[in-house]
Amino acid sequence: QVQLQESGPGLVKPSQTLSLTCTVSGGSISSGDYYWSWIRQPPGKGLEWIGYIYYSGSTYYNPSLKSRVTISVDTSKNQFSLKLSSVTAADTAVYYCARAESNDFWTKWGQGTLVTVSS
Amino acid sequence: AIRITQSPSSLSASTGDRVTITCRASQGISSYLAWYQQKPGKAPKLLIYAASTLQSGVPSRFSGSGSGTDFTLTISCLQSEDFATYYCQQYYSYPRTFGGGTKVEIK
Repeated sequence: QVQLQESGPGLVKPSQTLSLTCTVSGGSISSGDYYWSWIRQPPGKGLEWIGYIYYSGSTYYNPSLKSRVTISVDTSKNQFSLKLSSVTAADTAVYYCARAESNDFWTKWGQGTLVTVSS
Repeated sequence: AIRITQSPSSLSASTGDRVTITCRASQGISSYLAWYQQKPGKAPKLLIYAASTLQSGVPSRFSGSGSGTDFTLTISCLQSEDFATYYCQQYYSYPRTFGGGTKVEIK
């Protein structure tokens, strides 16, 4: 049974770069059958899709965040990562990594990790 | 980006009630709509995709309908474990977008 687990700092200072990693276990990120996404949820608010990566490295980002987002993949470690630059308090959220077949909707999610942007 | 308007934002219901939640897309999305259930502190869980296809393992009291711009999630007989927040999501185009959510609370 595939599992996804987010990891990274829970506190980031304003203007710095948020960095998170999603480790995939129980299945290969290189299988080619799936697309790997980051999705976030500010406390008490709704869901926002950040972007996806395919195992080959191809990506697509939400235009609202595109200038600040980089998603990368490390197939040797079975991980994919998120970098979000120039963060502000508005980037405080629970960040989820998730897996989709056919890149349509997400059937597997990590448990989520809260990242707070504060000095 | 396609905007998804979900209503109501919250509702109170009792166990056994029939509950209906609606999503309206800002443009036609055919049947490219999914529904998720989220409980506090947990990740969303996929309930329905392709507007009306039940995800494996999801109870049959959940059903979805609609196409084009108007969609509905129905819980036919609300159970205690169904009290949660529900989100719809379109996958017709990028960026993928979600409705604002509907919190189903105990009356």
